[in-house]
Amino acid sequence: DVKVTQSSRYLVKRTGEKVFLECVQDMDHENMFWYRQDPGLGLRLIYFSYDVKMKEKGDIPEGYSVSREKKERFSLILESASTNQTSMYLCASSLPGLDEQYFGPGTRLTVT
Amino acid sequence: GQQVMQIPQYQHVQEGEDFTTYCNSSTTLSNIQWYKQRPGGHPVFLIQLVKSGEVKKQKRLTFQFGEAKKNSSLHITATQTTDVGTYFCAGRLPFSGGYNKLIFGAGTRLAVHP
Repeated sequence: DVKVTQSSRYLVKRTGEKVFLECVQDMDHENMFWYRQDPGLGLRLIYFSYDVKMKEKGDIPEGYSVSREKKERFSLILESASTNQTSMYLCASSLPGLDEQYFGPGTRLTVT
Repeated sequence: GQQVMQIPQYQHVQEGEDFTTYCNSSTTLSNIQWYKQRPGGHPVFLIQLVKSGEVKKQKRLTFQFGEAKKNSSLHITATQTTDVGTYFCAGRLPFSGGYNKLIFGAGTRLAVHP
């Protein structure tokens, strides 16, 4: 079974802090994704990566950056957290050419 | 930009009633997927539809992909309490390369009353 893990289930940070969200997958997937999920808005793509050190902006990249130094790990970075970044963050992975995405359990981030 | 609209946003039914959620895209899709997210859980892949007019069934769930590949539906027959959750459609845009970029609908939250 594919397993996608995220470093924290719940996180509380202060405005202005730098925040790191980590995602690890164990199935050697090339593609990895970061989404945020907000009520009534569904899942919105922040960034994705199709290979180590490669990244592409999604639909809402502002205020975020990512890092992929190893194939199995994809990090989402909030350089200076703001209250409007309070949300559920979901990581996913997939194989190239196959659209099925495997999601991690999510990190609920609260910025106060 | 490209959008995938999903309706209704929320529906509650009595156990045993049928349920349908609809997905409409502003552009032709390469394929469409459906995911289910249980309360407190994460989205889990259900199925993918690729061909124009395709219909697939999984037990009490019936999935359809429109002829123009712009809309899709998920129908649940005789809902059970285990069907509770949010159902998302996700469309893949043509020419998105090998990056598997999907556009998700906002989801339909289903509540089932016993």
